Amino acid sequence: ELQLVESGGGLIQPGGSLRLSCAASGFAVSTNYMSWVRQAPGKGLECVSVIFSGGDTYYADSLKGRFTISRDSSTNTVSLQMNSLRVEDTAVYYCARQTHSSTQPTLGYFDYWGQGALVTVSS
Amino acid sequence: DIQVTQSPSSLSASVGDRVTVTCRASQTISNYLNWYQQKPGNAPKLLIYGASTLQSGVPSRFSGSGSGTHFTLTISSLQPEDFATYYCQQSYSPPMYSFGQGTKLEIK
Repeated sequence: ELQLVESGGGLIQPGGSLRLSCAASGFAVSTNYMSWVRQAPGKGLECVSVIFSGGDTYYADSLKGRFTISRDSSTNTVSLQMNSLRVEDTAVYYCARQTHSSTQPTLGYFDYWGQGALVTVSS
Repeated sequence: DIQVTQSPSSLSASVGDRVTVTCRASQTISNYLNWYQQKPGNAPKLLIYGASTLQSGVPSRFSGSGSGTHFTLTISSLQPEDFATYYCQQSYSPPMYSFGQGTKLEIK
């Protein structure tokens, strides 16, 4: 069974750092596109970052270089290092696998999601 | 950036009703449109990808249609477990796929 389990969330003061991890089982993160999606309290979904199977990484423009996505093949884990955290970064952070249609390979979608990790930035 | 706008933002309906949610893209996106369902406290769940392809295991009362800039998600006969928030997502413009703002489906 394919599964994603996030960890590392918590309460952090503004300006602090936090590292989220997403442990995958049932598939290899190194051969898949892996994303982080966040949801602020009572709000919608926002793509934060993605790492492609080839290793390329991308981030939402709003993050301005504060977050870094990475992966570890030996532990089959994807991580999100979050620095200079702001109150507006408060959200549930989901890890998700991005897959592509077998009949339309450029069509991507998120087929597996973790349960989410709550990050609260507050003084 | 491609924006996707959902309507309505909330909707009240009864069990057995036929319900339609609309998603409009700010530019043509062919069929690069996905739909997700999210229940309170849970992660989103993929319902439909490519505008109209039902994800494995999703009940057939869910259907999607559209192409270009106008898309719809239809639930043919609402069941109690369908009351949730629904999001559309465009995947035409990688690498960051944008979501609509969500449509909350509530019990009338």
